[in-house]
Amino acid sequence: AQKITQTQPGMFVQEKEAVTLDCTYDTSDPSYGLFWYKQPSSGEMIFLIYQGSYDQQNATEGRYSLNFQKARKSANLVISASQLGDSAMYFCAMRVRGNQGGKLIFGQGTELSVKP
Amino acid sequence: DSGVTQTPKHLITATGQRVTLRCSPRSGDLSVYWYQQSLDQGLQFLIQYYNGEERAKGNILERFSAQQFPDLHSELNLSSLELGDSALYFCASSISGGDNEQFFGPGTRLTVL
Repeated sequence: AQKITQTQPGMFVQEKEAVTLDCTYDTSDPSYGLFWYKQPSSGEMIFLIYQGSYDQQNATEGRYSLNFQKARKSANLVISASQLGDSAMYFCAMRVRGNQGGKLIFGQGTELSVKP
Repeated sequence: DSGVTQTPKHLITATGQRVTLRCSPRSGDLSVYWYQQSLDQGLQFLIQYYNGEERAKGNILERFSAQQFPDLHSELNLSSLELGDSALYFCASSISGGDNEQFFGPGTRLTVL
């Protein structure tokens, strides 16, 4: 079964520190993509970063990086130098190819609170 | 701003009613996806259209239907509404049918009373 697991319902981090949000996935398909989205309290879903299953290097986008460990089936999001505006829900998602189109399977999310 | 627009932003209606949610994808995007976000189910994929054709179907109820029009905008129709249909409904779009990032609209918050 294809599944995304986020085991941290909530996390706190001090402003300017780095934080890692955990994500593990389960799929038997060799070709897949992993995504992270941010959902602030206003409700919109903001795309952060993408990692393909065949990508050799970990993805990075500004202060966001994805720690991709294929053998462990984990795709953790690392946010460096946390800012107050980073307080939000963070969702890990997976897209599996094949005849399933481009649908995303989401985890339950991690609520991140950044303390001043 | 993702470039995906959804209307209306909020919708309050009664059980048994029918509503239509509208989505306009980003310019150039051919794929439209609909997702439902509720407290108990989390974010669930409903359905995907690619260039007017249904591409993939998720846990979409028979009371729900969708379509994508020639100008690529999409509508999600929800009928015989129940209290449990109250949720945030997102539309997302991507350039093609599978490999690209999906950009989400602001969502329509549906409340069924």
